[in-house]
Order: sequence, then structure tokens, then C-alpha cells
Amino acid sequence: AQSVAQPEDQVNVAEGNPLTVKCTYSVSGNPYLFWYVQYPNRGLQFLLKYITGDNLVKGSYGFEAEFNKSQTSFHLKKPSALVSDSALYFCAVRDIYGGATNKLIFGTGTLLAVQP
Amino acid sequence: NAGVTQTPKFQVLKTGQSMTLQCAQDMNHEYMSWYRQDPGMGLRLIHYSVGAGITDQGEVPNGYNVSRSTTEDFPLRLLSAAPSQTSVYFCASSYRGSNQPQHFGDGTRLSIL
Repeated sequence: AQSVAQPEDQVNVAEGNPLTVKCTYSVSGNPYLFWYVQYPNRGLQFLLKYITGDNLVKGSYGFEAEFNKSQTSFHLKKPSALVSDSALYFCAVRDIYGGATNKLIFGTGTLLAVQP
Repeated sequence: NAGVTQTPKFQVLKTGQSMTLQCAQDMNHEYMSWYRQDPGMGLRLIHYSVGAGITDQGEVPNGYNVSRSTTEDFPLRLLSAAPSQTSVYFCASSYRGSNQPQHFGDGTRLSIL
């Protein structure tokens, strides 16, 4: 069965420190992977995606993610956290049984709290 | 740019009532979908559409109906509201293609008493 796991419900980091939000996946074949961010009382916003090519993907707001096929991981990273990065982060993978649709399977989300 | 617009933002219903959650997008996206977000469960797909006149069920379709008469609109209907349908509902749209990012509305917060 296809799945996405975000093992940490919450990640706490001090402003200025590097941050990592973890994501592992379980799908057959080549995964299409996405990160979204949700600010309070807002919808999800797209951050970045991995489809093919370089394992290090750069996205919005200074975020990047590293695709690791051997570890089936797609961790989200940022070199220096900002208080404004505090939000709920979702990892998602394309549903390979969705055919030509854009069906996604989402993780349960990780709350990032950046302390000043 | 309006993007994806959802109405209403908040709604309280009594058990057994019906209602329609509205979703409209102005980006000419072929693909539209409805999710519900519940604590600790991420987002779960309710229904989706790959174009006008075409809809299909997602992971949790029971108790919900959809239709897609135009490219822009994708309403979600609750037929007979139940407390288990208390949730935050998000509509999303994208260009067709499994590598396309989805654009989300700001959600409808629905409480069923």
C-alpha cells in the first residue's frame, strides 16, 4: 500500500538555526513527491516538488528538500529558520494508481515551531 | 488573482440537514478536488474531477455528492449531515498532469451538532 509518514508531530527550533522536517514514503516505482505549508486558518500552499533529476530540490521561501531513494525519504530543510516559518507542513506523494489524475496521498503533518 | 475561492468560511449545521459547499477557481484548471482535514489524519480525498462532466470518488466519499457542470465550479453536497462530518473542507485545483502542484482554497470550517 502507498503511504507517506511524517514521524514527528512537532519540531521545535530556535530562530537562526537550521531546520529539518522529516518525510518517508512507501510507493512502487518512481515517486512524485511534494511539500506543502499551511498557515493558521489558511489553505495549503505549494513549496516544492521532486519529479526527476537532481536529488536536491529548491523551493519557495528558502526551503529545499533532499530526495534519497535508498532511504525512501524526502526531508524538508532550511539553513536558517525564521519565526515566520512557524506553520504546519505536509509531505505528499502522487497516487500511482490515480492514472492521469493529480491524486495525492498526504502525510499527517508536522507542526514547526520556531522560537525567537 | 482570486485563485480558489470557497464559501462559506464557517457553517454550523444540525444533524440531518443538507448543504452545499461552494468552490470556484479562475485559473482554467482541469483538475479539481475536495479534501477533508481532521486532526492527526492529514488530508483525505473525498471526490475529484478531471474536467467538466467527469467526477470520481476518492478515499472517503460516503455522505457526499459532487457535480462539475463547468470548468470553474465544483460544489460539494452534504446529503444528510452527521456529526462525523465535522471537519475542515478544502477545495483544490490544478492543471491536469500528475506533476502539477495543487492550489488550495482557504477552507470551510463545518460543525455538525
